[in-house]
Amino acid sequence: DARVTQTPRDKVTEMGQEVTMRCQPILGHNTVFWYRQTMMQGLELLAYFRNRAPLDDSGMPKDRFSAEMPDATLATLKIQPSEPRDSAVYFCASGLTVNRDMNTEAFFGQGTRLTVV
Amino acid sequence: KQEVTQIPAALSVPEGENLVLNCSFTDSAIYNLQWFRQDPGKGLTSLLLIQSSQREQTSGRLNASLDKSSGRSTLYIAASQPGDSATYLCAVSSINQAGTALIFGKGTTLSVSS
Repeated sequence: DARVTQTPRDKVTEMGQEVTMRCQPILGHNTVFWYRQTMMQGLELLAYFRNRAPLDDSGMPKDRFSAEMPDATLATLKIQPSEPRDSAVYFCASGLTVNRDMNTEAFFGQGTRLTVV
Repeated sequence: KQEVTQIPAALSVPEGENLVLNCSFTDSAIYNLQWFRQDPGKGLTSLLLIQSSQREQTSGRLNASLDKSSGRSTLYIAASQPGDSATYLCAVSSINQAGTALIFGKGTTLSVSS
């Protein structure tokens, strides 16, 4: 059963601490997205990779957030230092984009619920 | 900038009713539109993907239509069941947005009573 796996599922941390969230995309998928979901803003795109190269991270606060893909099976999202306003559910999604076909169906993980106190 | 709107924000119906959820988007230059379901505390489950060249897609009791020129999509749910209770999200992959990442509406929360 292919699925996107995110760890941890829940994280409570103190303000100022570093937080790392991990995502294992579906094997064979070459596109990875990071989204943040809050009640007020809904789902916001933070970053987006294709073939491990970052295509768009304009939605991500650059001073404290960073996203990387060390290899094709792992994507990471780091927050340093964390702040209470970062409390949200962070979702990773993956998809397969072939050649010039931009019709990428996205499959989502279960999310990491982050609480910064 | 692409914006996606879903109306209504919440909907309550009795079991067995047919219903329609609406999605509108401001920029008709899209690659595709995708409907998702989200249960409380869970991730998003993809329901249907409609490519820009298509007019509709069907899966079981679900039918999604796309009118790209008017910037609208509808999700039709036939013979609703209590198990259909969830939040339904519409998202578009916009040609003019950097890359092809999905832009989401805020969803319609559906409650089906038995």
